[in-house]
Amino acid sequence: GAVVSQHPSRVICKSGTSVKIECRSLDFQATTMFWYRQFPKKSLMLMATSNEGSKATYEQGVEKDKFLINHASLTLSTLTVTSAHPEDSSFYICSASLSALLAKNIQYFGAGTRLSVL
Amino acid sequence: KQEVTQIPAALSVPEGENLVLNCSFTDSAIYNLQWFRQDPGKGLTSLLLIQSSQREQTSGRLNASLDKSSGRSTLYIAASQPGDSATYLCAAVNTGTASKLTFGTGTRLQVTL
Repeated sequence: GAVVSQHPSRVICKSGTSVKIECRSLDFQATTMFWYRQFPKKSLMLMATSNEGSKATYEQGVEKDKFLINHASLTLSTLTVTSAHPEDSSFYICSASLSALLAKNIQYFGAGTRLSVL
Repeated sequence: KQEVTQIPAALSVPEGENLVLNCSFTDSAIYNLQWFRQDPGKGLTSLLLIQSSQREQTSGRLNASLDKSSGRSTLYIAASQPGDSATYLCAAVNTGTASKLTFGTGTRLQVTL
């Protein structure tokens, strides 16, 4: 099956710093990547959808200047949490797909990144 | 707006029992519905995907059913094992929403020896 690598798996940072999370599709070219956020004991909430080479589409209520998403290549998307604050602490998960699989609603998920902002 | 609910939120059963996890959705205009497994601090593993035209899907000890008219899906796990302990999430994709998954809140399952 397709592999999606997410890095880092865990990051602890000071309030006010920026954190970058990488999502890579290792054995396929991902035309579309999704970023989700998961609060403790809550479900996953879609933050944004990014298509390679174009601007990400953010869900309602997600600050695009706060959560910068770049999808510059078919194998890499990055999420940067800018000026992180304790309320940004959460579990962030990416998923990747390509057009043919997306039509069948098949997404491959990364292992997630646990962000803790002190 | 689609809302997905899972009951119960947590479940503990002894090894060997058969069990059913429930998923309800408010908007029946779904394209498909998936069941995922999530281990603590990990990503998601897709277990079963049911298209809107299907009523059930089976994979090994797992069987998922879909009843669009009542807005319900169930995940049946036969002969549960300690390795089945995880959080199970269902997610619906509505027609015309470009593969956006709406997740339920999950059922945390613990299978004891």
